[in-house]
Amino acid sequence: AQSVTQPDIHITVSEGASLELRCNYSYGATPYLFWYVQSPGQGLQLLLKYFSGDTLVQGIKGFEAEFKRSQSSFNLRKPSVHWSDAAEYFCAVGDPILTGGGNKLTFGTGTQLKVEL
Amino acid sequence: DAGVIQSPRHEVTEMGQEVTLRCKPISGHDYLFWYRQTMMRGLELLIYFNNNVPIDDSGMPEDRFSAKMPNASFSTLKIQPSEPRDSAVYFCASSPGTPKNEQFFGPGTRLTVL
Repeated sequence: AQSVTQPDIHITVSEGASLELRCNYSYGATPYLFWYVQSPGQGLQLLLKYFSGDTLVQGIKGFEAEFKRSQSSFNLRKPSVHWSDAAEYFCAVGDPILTGGGNKLTFGTGTQLKVEL
Repeated sequence: DAGVIQSPRHEVTEMGQEVTLRCKPISGHDYLFWYRQTMMRGLELLIYFNNNVPIDDSGMPEDRFSAKMPNASFSTLKIQPSEPRDSAVYFCASSPGTPKNEQFFGPGTRLTVL
């Protein structure tokens, strides 16, 4: 079964600084990879996703992520963080060959981002 | 589209009471997922449905939990009897269902069991 590790529980960055959130996965092949964001009191919203092809994917709100097969990683980045980016970020993996179909996802434990003004 | 709708948004109940959480998925989505989120355990998948049929309920914690989807536009998650350790935020999500599709999440129901 696949698994996802987000090693950083909390991260604090200054507004305007760059950001990188780490995500490592365990899966026998290349899974489908997702990053979601959860603002306080809200549900999860998709930031970006990767299936195949170009390993650098662009998402909403200026975020990007890079898939590195050799490191089993899918880290999320943003060149300049805004105060409104403060939220919890979840990495998730999906199984391209899931028996029964569908898109069941396995989520990481999340990284809480705090932005200092 | 209004997105995934969950009700109630907040529920406070006493131990031993029955709790019913409701979800209306996005029209046309044939997969529906129920999750539970706690500080200790993070986001856990409880059960998911395809075309109203339960596909995987291995995440349902115990027999006190049950979920139904009587039609394509409505699902319930019931806890009977409720216990304080059931306190959590419960999310419903829906999806068009192919592995490349994202799941669309509702705003969640915050359940507090006293």
